[in-house]
Amino acid sequence: NAGVTQNPKFQVLKTGQSMTLQCAQDMNHNSMYWYRQDPGMGLRLIYYSASEGTTDKGEVPNGYNVSRLNKREFSLRLESAAPSQTSVYFCASSEQGPDTQYFGPGTRLTVL
Amino acid sequence: GENVEQHPSTLSVQEGDSAVIKCTYSDSASNYFPWYKQELGKRPQLIIDIRSNVGEKKDQRIAVTLNKTAKHFSLHITETQPEDSAVYFCAARTGGSYIPTFGRGTSLIVHP
Repeated sequence: NAGVTQNPKFQVLKTGQSMTLQCAQDMNHNSMYWYRQDPGMGLRLIYYSASEGTTDKGEVPNGYNVSRLNKREFSLRLESAAPSQTSVYFCASSEQGPDTQYFGPGTRLTVL
Repeated sequence: GENVEQHPSTLSVQEGDSAVIKCTYSDSASNYFPWYKQELGKRPQLIIDIRSNVGEKKDQRIAVTLNKTAKHFSLHITETQPEDSAVYFCAARTGGSYIPTFGRGTSLIVHP
């Protein structure tokens, strides 16, 4: 099992560009999450999907959109990137709800 | 919503000493408290968790204690080793909620 995978690992964007961060899990988990991690701020939830077909906002959703493509895949889209979105983005999954979350390796995004 | 405070932000110990990290939470309805370890440049990984119906849980050199009355929980690491050096995050989750709230992290440095 690969667990939770993310693509790309690194990305540099210019202000105003768009991109989609990909996340997939092969553990047959129902719930998936997107977090951003900034120095000294811990992990902040952007969006989550409690189960296939549902998505909900987390703590910091502004500037982002998500798609739960199927049970395995949960993507995060930045429509018009801003320097404030420079961060490390982690995808996570859990069998049901936020108990025992498994994290992906992260995507390091820089917006110039 | 839930608020989680984590202290200290940095903890430096000598190899073989014990380390204690404390988190306080605000929502008395919170019932699940995980701890994650994140090594430099890696993903967070669950190391231990506790539910509100128990007061203490141990796994080899690590233990977590929960005081529901005072609304705090702590991570205890005994006989620390250099490989314990990492950032540790606590989190709290209210029953029925899909949104975990993370503390801001504690950087543990174990000196050989």
